[in-house]
Amino acid sequence: GAVVSQHPSRVICKSGTSVKIECRSLDFQATTMFWYRQFPKQSLMLMATSNEGSKATYEQGVEKDKFLINHASLTLSTLTVTSAHPEDSSFYICSARARYGQGGTDTQYFGPGTRLTVL
Amino acid sequence: DAKTTQPTSMDCAEGRAANLPCNHSTISGNEYVYWYRQIHSQGPQYIIHGLKNNETNEMASLIITEDRKSSTLILPHATLRDTAVYYCIVAESYNTDKLIFGTGTRLQVFP
Repeated sequence: GAVVSQHPSRVICKSGTSVKIECRSLDFQATTMFWYRQFPKQSLMLMATSNEGSKATYEQGVEKDKFLINHASLTLSTLTVTSAHPEDSSFYICSARARYGQGGTDTQYFGPGTRLTVL
Repeated sequence: DAKTTQPTSMDCAEGRAANLPCNHSTISGNEYVYWYRQIHSQGPQYIIHGLKNNETNEMASLIITEDRKSSTLILPHATLRDTAVYYCIVAESYNTDKLIFGTGTRLQVFP
């Protein structure tokens, strides 16, 4: 299957700082990437849809000014958590959707996740 | 909201087949059934998806009922490494449809 990477895998930061998480599709081009958040013992919650070359679409209740998403190329999307607070501590996971017709696939592949801890 | 209903948990003996059911009674004609699994502290792993016909790959088989209102994921010979939360999701395949995760089924494979 297609490979999606995330960096860093784990980050600890102080309250009030900003953290950037990268999501890369390694062997395919992704016109659309998605960002999820998962709290302990809960399911994944979709935060936003990131389209290459355009603004991200945020789910209801997700602050777009706090969670900045940039999808500058067909293989890279970044999520920046600005002015992080302890309640932002969570497991952040991205997924990338393969471009239709490339690789014969039409599904989403997920990265390994980034665990953010805000002190 | 998730469009699927799954049992909260299931057990399976190592080496036996694990059959994970999923109800999706409101599925529309252009929606696929996707299965993912999540091993603890990792990102979800794609398993299989299908529209109408039964599907099989190296990981699992997907059996979809004729009315498409339910499906079963089959792991033919479960191993301890198959212990995970399994998510059944319905979504359109094309365009930019979102995957909405429900609570999934926690499969515990025991020796």
